[in-house]
Amino acid sequence: AQSVTQLGSHVSVSEGALVLLRCNYSSSVPPYLFWYVQYPNQGLQLLLKYTTGATLVKGINGFEAEFKKSETSFHLTKPSAHMSDAAEYFCAVRHIGGFKTIFGAGTRLFVKA
Amino acid sequence: ETGVTQTPRHLVMGMTNKKSLKCEQHLGHNAMYWYKQSAKKPLELMFVYNFKEQTENNSVPSRFSPECPNSSHLFLHLHTLQPEDSALYLCASSQDSDIAGELFFGEGSRLTVL
Repeated sequence: AQSVTQLGSHVSVSEGALVLLRCNYSSSVPPYLFWYVQYPNQGLQLLLKYTTGATLVKGINGFEAEFKKSETSFHLTKPSAHMSDAAEYFCAVRHIGGFKTIFGAGTRLFVKA
Repeated sequence: ETGVTQTPRHLVMGMTNKKSLKCEQHLGHNAMYWYKQSAKKPLELMFVYNFKEQTENNSVPSRFSPECPNSSHLFLHLHTLQPEDSALYLCASSQDSDIAGELFFGEGSRLTVL
């Protein structure tokens, strides 16, 4: 069965500092991988996704993530945090050919001025 | 209208009430989903419909009854709920021809059961 683990339910960074949100998955075969972001009182929106090909994926708002098969990881990074990045971030996996997208528990990012 | 629209945004109901949540997508997608988001828990997939046919029911109690009359509309009928059913209910859609299955979410319906 697929599962997603996000290390750290809360991460706090200073404005301008590196953002690193960790995600590990378990799956018998490499799945499709996603990061979604949720701002207060809103639904989730896609930040980026990995399907096939290049393992470093770039998304919106300066975020990127790298798929590392050997580590079963898909960590999200951004070189310089902005106040507007404060939100909850969800890592998700989807088995190829299926309709089930499984989400991690989420990591709330706080950005300090 | 754009994207995925959910109504009502907020709902308060007693345990004996019957109410419904509505979701409408204007993206031409074929698959629609209900997710439950509770505090400090991962999003829980409840139901999946593809071309109006239910393809997933994730062991959801029968007090939640989905209905998908067409590919653009999805309902969640609520009956004799429990206080622990209070949560944010998120509707999403995707294009089944999109092999990656990116989900497009509505803003959610915040349900409080008294």
